[in-house]
Amino acid sequence: ETGVTQTPRHLVMGMTNKKSLKCEQHLGHNAMYWYKQSAKKPLELMFVYNFKEQTENNSVPSRFSPECPNSSHLFLHLHTLQPEDSALYLCASSQDPGTGGTEAFFGQGTRLTVV
Amino acid sequence: GQNIDQPTEMTATEGAIVQINCTYQTSGFNGLFWYQQHAGEAPTFLSYNVLDGLEEKGRFSSFLSRSKGYSYLLLKELQMKDSASYLCAVRDSNYQLIWGAGTKLIIKP
Repeated sequence: ETGVTQTPRHLVMGMTNKKSLKCEQHLGHNAMYWYKQSAKKPLELMFVYNFKEQTENNSVPSRFSPECPNSSHLFLHLHTLQPEDSALYLCASSQDPGTGGTEAFFGQGTRLTVV
Repeated sequence: GQNIDQPTEMTATEGAIVQINCTYQTSGFNGLFWYQQHAGEAPTFLSYNVLDGLEEKGRFSSFLSRSKGYSYLLLKELQMKDSASYLCAVRDSNYQLIWGAGTKLIIKP
């Protein structure tokens, strides 16, 4: 149990589908992150939420839409994805990074395949 | 640009010692992290260095030299379960984590 739970673990979707990834953290952290992990590439930071406010959006295409209703939950809404979006999507949480706080804790990830 | 370099893959023998290197060029420095990631699982935190020197934690140690932009992770008494990817990450001046691509460590009996 990592304290960060992601669902679903696996997802196959067509390019015209709409789906959502869910992340929940039980650690009392105030920052949450979405990362994309492709084979043999560095983790790519997609979005950062700090105290429910989005503080980073690293030039992510609009077909990815994040939502953070409270500091414990984070969603990633997906629509009209491309095959190159197939990857492992990881959620993480931490204490406020601006205070030089703690390490990030990761969820198990959602393995997304776009067909 | 910002860059983290680490070897793509390493192989070692059970019971031996292995050192995984990481070099970095970032805009500012607010700490370096090592994570372990088994295939299909979440990355898990191993170590954090913010000052120069060696941090020891059981069989794992991590070293940092800020002047050289260099770190290594040292794994002793290797076990088969240590087969995993090891990720190096640096926190830059904006407190954003910059990640390496990871080193896949293969342990042979």
